[in-house]
Parts: sequence; C-alpha cells; structure tokens
Amino acid sequence: GAGVSQTPSNKVTEKGKYVELRCDPISGHTALYWYRQSLGQGPEFLIYFQGTGAADDSGLPNDRFFAVRPEGSVSTLKIQRTERGDSAVYLCASSLLGLRTDTQYFGPGTRLTVL
Amino acid sequence: AQSVTQPDIHITVSEGASLELRCNYSYGATPYLFWYVQSPGQGLQLLLKYFSGDTLVQGIKGFEAEFKRSQSSFNLRKPSVHWSDAAEYFCAVGVNTGTASKLTFGTGTRLQVTL
Repeated sequence: GAGVSQTPSNKVTEKGKYVELRCDPISGHTALYWYRQSLGQGPEFLIYFQGTGAADDSGLPNDRFFAVRPEGSVSTLKIQRTERGDSAVYLCASSLLGLRTDTQYFGPGTRLTVL
Repeated sequence: AQSVTQPDIHITVSEGASLELRCNYSYGATPYLFWYVQSPGQGLQLLLKYFSGDTLVQGIKGFEAEFKRSQSSFNLRKPSVHWSDAAEYFCAVGVNTGTASKLTFGTGTRLQVTL
C-alpha cells in the first residue's frame, strides 16, 4: 500500500513568513510523529499524535511551531514568523497503534529553506 | 537524558568486504534500539530493531546487530557489502512517551562503497 507522503517536497520562504507542511500517514495508522533533521544531524523529535490529540509536544522548539491532526489522519505542521534557523528537513512518520514496539514508517520529508 | 553516539561520521569499504557500524547509547531504562538507513531523496527505512530476548537480531538486506548491555552498544554488521548499501545509517533509541516511543537518533554514519 501507499507509504507516508509529505507535501510539498521542497518549500522556500522568506524570513518572517508563515508556512504549513502536510503529512499523510499510512491509512489506518493511529500514531503520527514529526521530526526535524538539520544538515549533518540525525532527526530530532518534535511532536507525537495519538489519534487527534497531541500526546507529547515536548520537542517543539518554541511557540512559533504548532501542529494539528483534526480528524486523526492528515497532520499539518505550522511555523509562524519563520527564521533562518528553521531551515531543515521536516520528517513525518506514522505507526499502527503507537506502541513502543511498533515500527515508525517515515515519509520522504519536506525540505524547508528560509531565506 | 538519553543519547546515542555514532563515533564514525564516514566509513569507506570495498564491495564484498565486511562492515561494522558502531553505536553506543545512554538511557536509564531498558532500551528499545533501532537502525535506520537513509538513501538520498528517500525516507528513513527500518533495518532492524531490538526490544528484548535474543541479543543478536536479524534485519532486512542481510544486516544484523548485536545488543551488548555491558557495553551499552548496538553495533550493526553485514558480512559482505554491496554497492547499493551506500547510504547514511542512523542508530536510535526509543524513549517512552505514553504507550509509544519517540526516537532519539545519533548523528549518523555515511557509508561509501568502492568497487
């Protein structure tokens, strides 16, 4: 079946602008995760959804970052007043039940560049 | 706090040679450990995972890893490398968040394969 998809694949924006990044998880997966991967680094956890609710948002760097998953499927990561330091690849992953033993399946990512 | 160390940033091996990628972790509880591979333009793909039981785990593409609690290590091995194995490899530890695991990744090891 289809994997995790993310749109857009690339996003270039100017400092101070607002951006939205979209994630379509694997159908039927209840858990959804966002990670951020800066150049030369491993992915860093941002937020985890179980169903519609954010179960753990401890990785969001500040209040400019916000994510929603209103119907328990598609999720949108929203970044306000973007800064050059926000430039990174934003990865989305989903897992079937959100159990510790579940495999997290990753999408190809959205490369965000803030000029 | 949990952490993952991958001491080798870049490794080059000849096709057909054996491979070992090192991973050391720090985590206060029983670790859930993962190895992912990331090819250019591709999402992260799970190679293998360890939760409990046999400390030698088999994965896809002929990879295996051995969990050694006394050394806090989870090294990835492959007896004979193929040119298609060239990619970036990430070790991760799963940190409990509710019923799920949020992954803490190392900084990755880039594998180059010479013909």
